[in-house]
Amino acid sequence: QSALTQPASVSGSPGQSITISCTGTNSDVGGYNYVSWYQQHPGKAPKLIIYEVSNRPSGVSNRFSGSKSGNTASLTISGLQAEDEADYYCCSYTSSSTLVFGTGTKVTVL
Amino acid sequence: QVQLQESGPGLVKPSQTLSLTCTVSGDSISSGSYYWYWIRQPAGKGLEWIGRFYTSENTNYNPSLKSRVTISLDTSKNQFSLKVSSVTAADTAVYYCARDALRVGAAMVYWGQGTLVTVSS
Repeated sequence: QSALTQPASVSGSPGQSITISCTGTNSDVGGYNYVSWYQQHPGKAPKLIIYEVSNRPSGVSNRFSGSKSGNTASLTISGLQAEDEADYYCCSYTSSSTLVFGTGTKVTVL
Repeated sequence: QVQLQESGPGLVKPSQTLSLTCTVSGDSISSGSYYWYWIRQPAGKGLEWIGRFYTSENTNYNPSLKSRVTISLDTSKNQFSLKVSSVTAADTAVYYCARDALRVGAAMVYWGQGTLVTVSS
């Protein structure tokens, strides 16, 4: 299975909104509403921030939102804050009953 | 609150079998309601999904690793394990264990802190 495609880096100024894309195929992203997003700070374990395309776990800021159109899922961070600087990974269920991660996106707060 | 902790040798020789254990606290692994996952991350690189265990009849593996990987549960110790055979330097990574949650589909909610495994002679 091939990794989902994400931009290598995205940046924005504090207070701005940024969007990270995650492109797959109709055998993964496009075929199921099981896309999740993870935030990872350096040296730390990943943290789930979005599941089932657009749902936020309890305790995750509502500045994080997810959506999907066709084979592309998106994560939007609104009101960008310094603490949002991290790596972000999408993940999708696949037609083979496996999961596949995206290539990862480094978010920089300018 | 569920907590997971990986453990195992930090150094494995090429061609040998890598064996890691994830100890679960705060919940019983024998409840039968959850998927138990393994994920890895080479230094400076992205996350790679290794596989997950639900029951012995319902276990899924990354196709690129399937021939070398086994995930199993030890309910007596409240642990689950990962074995990767015939390792090479490409298997050097931080290995994470994780678990999902009820009403959270196909996502890893609880994570261990990760353990570094280096493959070298």
